[in-house]
Amino acid sequence: DAGVTQSPTHLIKTRGQQVTLRCSPKSGHDTVSWYQQALGQGPQFIFQYYEEEERQRGNFPDRFSGHQFPNYSSELNVNALLLGDSALYLCASGLGQVNNSPLHFGNGTRLTVT
Amino acid sequence: AQSVTQPDIHITVSEGASLELRCNYSYGATPYLFWYVQSPGQGLQLLLKYFSGDTLVQGIKGFEAEFKRSQSSFNLRKPSVHWSDAAEYFCAVGPLQGAQKLVFGQGTRLTINP
Repeated sequence: DAGVTQSPTHLIKTRGQQVTLRCSPKSGHDTVSWYQQALGQGPQFIFQYYEEEERQRGNFPDRFSGHQFPNYSSELNVNALLLGDSALYLCASGLGQVNNSPLHFGNGTRLTVT
Repeated sequence: AQSVTQPDIHITVSEGASLELRCNYSYGATPYLFWYVQSPGQGLQLLLKYFSGDTLVQGIKGFEAEFKRSQSSFNLRKPSVHWSDAAEYFCAVGPLQGAQKLVFGQGTRLTINP
């Protein structure tokens, strides 16, 4: 049973560029959330996707956008990259309509902006 | 405002010693509480969770946590640590339904002395 998988593992981009990160949820899960974890910090919620729509959003600018596909996989897009966007980006999946369903996290994508 | 405080940024204990990691939370509704562990370069692994019932919950790897509503705390404990427990530990709080939008603490880095 595959868990949450993310690609790529590592990525280096230049300031001003755009980046797309990908996530496949754990088998059976229908909801995907994205988190940003800066060095030495706890993860911060970016947004959640369920039924191909953004359902909740954290305090992140519009440069951060996403998409969920019919197979429940998801993409995170970041435009106009800033140095401060350098972080570990974590994808988490769960069951959107089930109470008390915990999140399962992937190993993350390490983004470095130079 | 929702928040999680982990007062100890870094803790060092000897192998075989007992461990307690502190977590205090502020949440407007009935909280769904979690402890996650993160090894270097890895994602988050769920150790245990609590939303109702017995206030002492058991998790994986011999960890347990106690929920104290009066103190808004959810401290993590282990009777005897192993060198493999060295990692970063995160306390988190979220809503009961779906628990997608978690608020994380800053984390506590655990070092084990041989």
